[in-house]
Amino acid sequence: ETGVTQTPRHLVMGMTNKKSLKCEQHLGHNAMYWYKQSAKKPLELMFVYSLEERVENNSVPSRFSPECPNSSHLFLHLHTLQPEDSALYLCASSQYRGPVYEQYFGPGTRLTVT
Amino acid sequence: AQTVTQSQPEMSVQEAETVTLSCTYDTSESDYYLFWYKQPPSRQMILVIRQEAYKQQNATENRFSVNFQKAAKSFSLKISDSQLGDAAMYFCAYRRVNSGGGADGLTFGKGTHLIIQP
Repeated sequence: ETGVTQTPRHLVMGMTNKKSLKCEQHLGHNAMYWYKQSAKKPLELMFVYSLEERVENNSVPSRFSPECPNSSHLFLHLHTLQPEDSALYLCASSQYRGPVYEQYFGPGTRLTVT
Repeated sequence: AQTVTQSQPEMSVQEAETVTLSCTYDTSESDYYLFWYKQPPSRQMILVIRQEAYKQQNATENRFSVNFQKAAKSFSLKISDSQLGDAAMYFCAYRRVNSGGGADGLTFGKGTHLIIQP
């Protein structure tokens, strides 16, 4: 595997389910991000992890719970979601320091909440 | 808070022609980075080009170039010799410079859907 991978690519869940999204980066980066892309809004930053510590939480509802066990893996745990949470969830990674440390994105998980 | 505005929801260009996508942003910072990302139907976000605000010279990457006007807070993308494979959503993005190091998220515009006419 190369780059940033995300699993599953598609997920359908009921409002009472619990599921998790997984992201893995193979680039040797040490910062990881979750973004939400919904139809009517610009991409929204949800969480930032730098050196495995959460450094930003953009007022995301508690039904979304991130976890970063190491610098290569990032999870987004989902529970009691709402239909408006249906969206494409994108993971990205970058270096913690560097001249520009641009972000590299995974292919996304398309989430549908029924 | 920073904002990024892309005023063209959709643009269309003939194959082999040149097209310019507009982006304006608002920030109180003096140093920052600007990016253009491409998102084809596969949904994979791909970095097209980046510009450091402290650099006066406009960035270029093969057929892609930017017109960076710092005073006007404008950052347009020019695509020359348009190809069918250029068809995608194009997003302008901003990131501040974190002088203490560390990660910062990107602020995106709403995107411009680019259509290439054969």
